[in-house]
Amino acid sequence: DTGVSQDPRHKITKRGQNVTFRCDPISEHNRLYWYRQTLGQGPEFLTYFQNEAQLEKSRLLSDRFSAERPKGSFSTLEIQRTEQGDSAMYLCASSLTPRETQYFGPGTRLLVL
Amino acid sequence: AQTVTQSQPEMSVQEAETVTLSCTYDTSESDYYLFWYKQPPSRQMILVIRQEAYKQQNATENRFSVNFQKAAKSFSLKISDSQLGDAAMYFCAYRSTGNQGGKLIFGQGTELSVKP
Repeated sequence: DTGVSQDPRHKITKRGQNVTFRCDPISEHNRLYWYRQTLGQGPEFLTYFQNEAQLEKSRLLSDRFSAERPKGSFSTLEIQRTEQGDSAMYLCASSLTPRETQYFGPGTRLLVL
Repeated sequence: AQTVTQSQPEMSVQEAETVTLSCTYDTSESDYYLFWYKQPPSRQMILVIRQEAYKQQNATENRFSVNFQKAAKSFSLKISDSQLGDAAMYFCAYRSTGNQGGKLIFGQGTELSVKP
């Protein structure tokens, strides 16, 4: 098991473009979380999935953001019409159950020009 | 809503010495989990130590230990015999219990530097 992986690791885009990030959790982990981390701050919760069901979304997740986990395995996070304020590190984490430790991926660093 | 506060943006320690990182939190819940995560520069976040609120005994993991004061809502991390590899951002985090929750609430972080 290689841990949580995320792709791409870095993304530079122009304002107004759409971007999509992928997260592959640890195999058999039912819970998958997305967080956003801006420079010098702690991660902030965005959304989480229990298998393929999206159970909670933060108010930080505007209508330009959408996340999916279609088969209960990998997940995608899409940002439409990117804004400069979207520049951040997007972290994915997974856990076997809600009570178990969350393991983080390396993150996708997004820069919106 | 729960909040986590780390009042030390930066800390420094001499190699082989001991350092304590502070964390306070606010919650109305009686049962919860607390965590310390480490985020080295340009590397992914890893769990250092976790504490269940119902346990009175402080958690320890090798050189890392916590001082959990539930009444004071304080959760500090002590690193003994500091090593160069301990240099990183350290985040304190809170998590509610229960199957419907699970999201982590993080503090602002403390950047630890280790001097040789």
